[in-house]
Amino acid sequence: GENVEQHPSTLSVQEGDSAVIKCTYSDSASNYFPWYKQELGKGPQLIIDIRSNVGEKKDQRIAVTLNKTAKHFSLHITETQPEDSAVYFCAAESGTYKYIFGTGTRLKVLA
Amino acid sequence: NAGVTQTPKFQVLKTGQSMTLQCAQDMNHEYMSWYRQDPGMGLRLIHYSVGAGITDQGEVPNGYNVSRSTTEDFPLRLLSAAPSQTSVYFCASSYSVVDSPLHFGNGTRLTVT
Repeated sequence: GENVEQHPSTLSVQEGDSAVIKCTYSDSASNYFPWYKQELGKGPQLIIDIRSNVGEKKDQRIAVTLNKTAKHFSLHITETQPEDSAVYFCAAESGTYKYIFGTGTRLKVLA
Repeated sequence: NAGVTQTPKFQVLKTGQSMTLQCAQDMNHEYMSWYRQDPGMGLRLIHYSVGAGITDQGEVPNGYNVSRSTTEDFPLRLLSAAPSQTSVYFCASSYSVVDSPLHFGNGTRLTVT
């Protein structure tokens, strides 16, 4: 079946450094790729998304890049802050009415 | 707007018991879905609905039933609970059936002993 691979599973960075999380998807028909942030005890919340007709999208300190040929997309967080510590999930819209999620990255920002 | 509301927040069941996890959204979203979250496995789709009266199976539907009699509500029923169903369950909705971000509830933590 279709799948999304996400790396790394854990990531520790010093405050102020950048963090990069990478995902690879298998369904070549996927056209929409959201990223979610999940804080402890809460549901995932959308932080940024990208559609297949765009190669890069930025929102302040967060950016997402997409390489459709290679079926890769990545999340970039610059100038990390302690409140960025959370679990991050990538997802790809796959087939009819379904999202396939990556297995998550636990990001720790060290003060 | 409350967004997506899930009840209960926590539940403990014995093997073989049945229960219903409630999910309601007040955003007039067309699409609703249920996921389970297990350590190291991300979020896996159980069932989804593209509108009132329409439901379909996701990746891991066995042992669960759903119905969608109204746009707002999408309950998930566990027919005969098993320890393998110990998990955190999330309900999510979106405005459209395609190309639209999901809005998640805060989850129900279920333990089956």
